[in-house]
Amino acid sequence: ETGVTQSPTHLIKTRGQQVTLRCSSQSGHNTVSWYQQALGQGPQFIFQYYREEENGRGNFPPRFSGLQFPNYSSELNVNALELDDSALYLCASSLVATSGNNEQFFGPGTRLTVL
Amino acid sequence: GNSVTQMEGPVTLSEEAFLTINCTYTATGYPSLFWYVQYPGEGLQLLLKATKADDKGSNKGFEATYRKETTSFHLEKGSVQVSDSAVYFCALSGAGSYQLTFGKGTKLSVIP
Repeated sequence: ETGVTQSPTHLIKTRGQQVTLRCSSQSGHNTVSWYQQALGQGPQFIFQYYREEENGRGNFPPRFSGLQFPNYSSELNVNALELDDSALYLCASSLVATSGNNEQFFGPGTRLTVL
Repeated sequence: GNSVTQMEGPVTLSEEAFLTINCTYTATGYPSLFWYVQYPGEGLQLLLKATKADDKGSNKGFEATYRKETTSFHLEKGSVQVSDSAVYFCALSGAGSYQLTFGKGTKLSVIP
């Protein structure tokens, strides 16, 4: 069973640029969630994708957008990068999109630095 | 909205000491509660969970009991090891919600 993978591992961008982060979900999982973890903080929910559609969103501006593909992999796109976007971006996959105790499995994250 | 408050760190303990990391939550209804652990340079791993009041989650010697009357889910371990050094996050998944809400994390360092 393959776990959640993310690419790239590290990324450096400059303010105003755009970035795309990628996530492959764990085998058999159909739902992907993205989280932003600033240094020294807990992860913050960005959004979730289920059946290729956004299925819930946290308090993040529209310049944070995403995609989910038929194979359940996902992309996180961030436009007009700001310095505060520097963080570890975590992807998590789960089997169902319903609420409650759906266990989420996290990838190792992508470390984004915005200069 | 939902929120999680956990004990500020860092926490430094000697090997074989008793560990408690406090966690309280605010949520409507009956959330599910989780403890995640993050080792240096890695993503989050689920340590244990509890889905209803009075449930006790346990794994690798760690335990936490879902206390609805005190809205708490404190993490405990009777005898910590150096390999337990990591950041621990308390989290909840609210009733009718599909997202995890995390606390700020508590860094644990265990010294020989």
